[in-house]
Amino acid sequence: GAGVSQTPSNKVTEKGKYVELRCDPISGHTALYWYRQSLGQGPEFLIYFQGTGAADDSGLPNDRFFAVRPEGSVSTLKIQRTERGDSAVYLCASSRGQGAAFFGQGTRLTVV
Amino acid sequence: RKEVEQDPGPFNVPEGATVAFNCTYSNSASQSFFWYRQDCRKEPKLLMSVYSSGNEDGRFTAQLNRASQYISLLIRDSKLSDSATYLCVVNTNAGKSTFGDGTTLTVKP
Repeated sequence: GAGVSQTPSNKVTEKGKYVELRCDPISGHTALYWYRQSLGQGPEFLIYFQGTGAADDSGLPNDRFFAVRPEGSVSTLKIQRTERGDSAVYLCASSRGQGAAFFGQGTRLTVV
Repeated sequence: RKEVEQDPGPFNVPEGATVAFNCTYSNSASQSFFWYRQDCRKEPKLLMSVYSSGNEDGRFTAQLNRASQYISLLIRDSKLSDSATYLCVVNTNAGKSTFGDGTTLTVKP
């Protein structure tokens, strides 16, 4: 596709449930980033992939969060035992190497 | 202290004004720098990269001061459509990308 695609665009889930958020990067972009953004704040770094491997996962807040990119393209962010504090917009971005990143429209996650 | 800091504003300016934003960063290993703009409830969009020599794109000028670890964005002849939040982004050579919390600009008629 022409840009970064994220699905779903909105997700409402109950506290304690498991969710998966999907990101389809721009074709040919080797780097992929996940962020989350709360109202009034800038995007908070979660994890960065270079190809299939997580080059930096220092932003994942705890072991309930996990992300994979098995074939070096599509990535899935997985959140176990969701909590109300996980509610945010989850943004995915991709780039060619160290260049500027291009964002998808985000997944708005609401945990009720 | 945050790794990337910006004055949150808001900056309220009349059309035609010149406005400048600064951003400071703490990681001296930072290698690449960008300004993004973000409209309400939208994703961030790249405005411009920031180069050591400074660079200009129309009404927008970005500068980098590595010694003082800050970058700036200057907007000349502000338009109503410039109203947005401006995010400063700093990348390390390992690829980690850190955003500031943004500066909000409102341009008024």
